[in-house]
Amino acid sequence: DIVMTQSPDSLAVSLGERATINCKSSQSVLYNSNNKNYLAWFQQKPGQPPKLLIYWASTRESGVPDRFSGGGSGTDFTLTISSLQAEDVAVYYCQQYYSSSWTFGQGTKVEIK
Amino acid sequence: QVQLVQSGAEVKKPGASMKVSCKASGYTFTGYYIHWVRQAPGQGLEWMGWINPNSGGTNYAQKFQGRVSVTRDTSIITAYLELSGLRSDDTAVYYCARSSSRGYCSGGSCFPDYWGQGTLVTVSS
Repeated sequence: DIVMTQSPDSLAVSLGERATINCKSSQSVLYNSNNKNYLAWFQQKPGQPPKLLIYWASTRESGVPDRFSGGGSGTDFTLTISSLQAEDVAVYYCQQYYSSSWTFGQGTKVEIK
Repeated sequence: QVQLVQSGAEVKKPGASMKVSCKASGYTFTGYYIHWVRQAPGQGLEWMGWINPNSGGTNYAQKFQGRVSVTRDTSIITAYLELSGLRSDDTAVYYCARSSSRGYCSGGSCFPDYWGQGTLVTVSS
């Protein structure tokens, strides 16, 4: 299985400041044939299912604010919230779909400082 | 609009079995794989398995082999997750999720774009 490891486990950021979450996969999730990284990011708030934010490592899902951006390639990825808003308080997960046996990072809890 | 609506919360005794349903609407059921993911209280997301609703083919996480079964009934556009031999550590919210089919990915190897609302299964004596 591909192991996904996120850092940090939790993050406290002031309103309007930048938040950056890292995600590392145990093997590359880049498909050489199409040059696509099979990596997604999700936001989960209490009592709700995960919400898709980013796929192909950097493509924002429709309706997701542009303060959310994804980057990286191969085994190292980042999710950046450029200007943290109160409604962004949540747990964020990365996920690989390179294998149909999905695996998720352990989650990063984002709070307001 | 695409919706996945799951069955309601359950309480089970240790050793019993559970069966959670996931009814799809708003899209062609047989065109997208359905995955099952669970989340124990206060914990992260754990993938359990998928089904190809068209063929009925399945794939399960090694951890659950022998205890899990994912099935579907295309006549009522519903997928099911069954887990047997329940233990207290199976207490979790169980989610179904649709594997999207956008562009470069297909089958089970695509990101989930729609999720069910989740079903809490509590295992307690």
